[in-house]
Amino acid sequence: LAKTTQPISMDSYEGQEVNITCSHNNIATNDYITWYQQFPSQGPRFIIQGYKTKVTNEVASLFIPADRKSSTLSLPRVSLSDTAVYYCLVGQTGANNLFFGTGTRLTVIP
Amino acid sequence: EPEVTQTPSHQVTQMGQEVILRCVPISNHLYFYWYRQILGQKVEFLVSFYNNEISEKSEIFDDQFSVERPDGSNFTLKIRSTKLEDSAMYFCASSDSGPGGEQFFGPGTRLTVL
Repeated sequence: LAKTTQPISMDSYEGQEVNITCSHNNIATNDYITWYQQFPSQGPRFIIQGYKTKVTNEVASLFIPADRKSSTLSLPRVSLSDTAVYYCLVGQTGANNLFFGTGTRLTVIP
Repeated sequence: EPEVTQTPSHQVTQMGQEVILRCVPISNHLYFYWYRQILGQKVEFLVSFYNNEISEKSEIFDDQFSVERPDGSNFTLKIRSTKLEDSAMYFCASSDSGPGGEQFFGPGTRLTVL
């Protein structure tokens, strides 16, 4: 499994765009990149998944450079309710389980 | 929107007692999982279940643990003889897209072993 490295914490003001970068230098050819969000005392929630280039959904964008050794989750115009822990996961299609790291604790400030 | 539900929300038990944590996955999902999260620590995979059998399990999932899908809707995690270190949040998840696909997590059961 590719190891991931993310900042432990980030602060942002409401209304700002937040970019959280994840490093995964040992990503394998078959690995995809997935981001989950976890609020306190709740289960993780899927945000977005991608393999290369850019993926966008109604919640976030995921930018993956050509070498795929890193990825950036972009949250547009965050609000207080986006305060949560964000996890970057790298895994193979066919893998049964999810390996969570320590994640990035995002705090949105009014 | 369909969601995974778990009961109870909080379970307190004495060390050595058996506990059963219950989950109702999303109805058309076929892949089921249990994870745990010790307070302040990472979410850890325990076991995955498909077609009425365990697909994969972690080192944490030892002989004290078992899973069952007793009927068409419930998915249970049993801990036979709880230890203090089993105190954690236990999350059930389900998926319709199999390995690598999006997993939908329940709200969790907080297990406290005294």
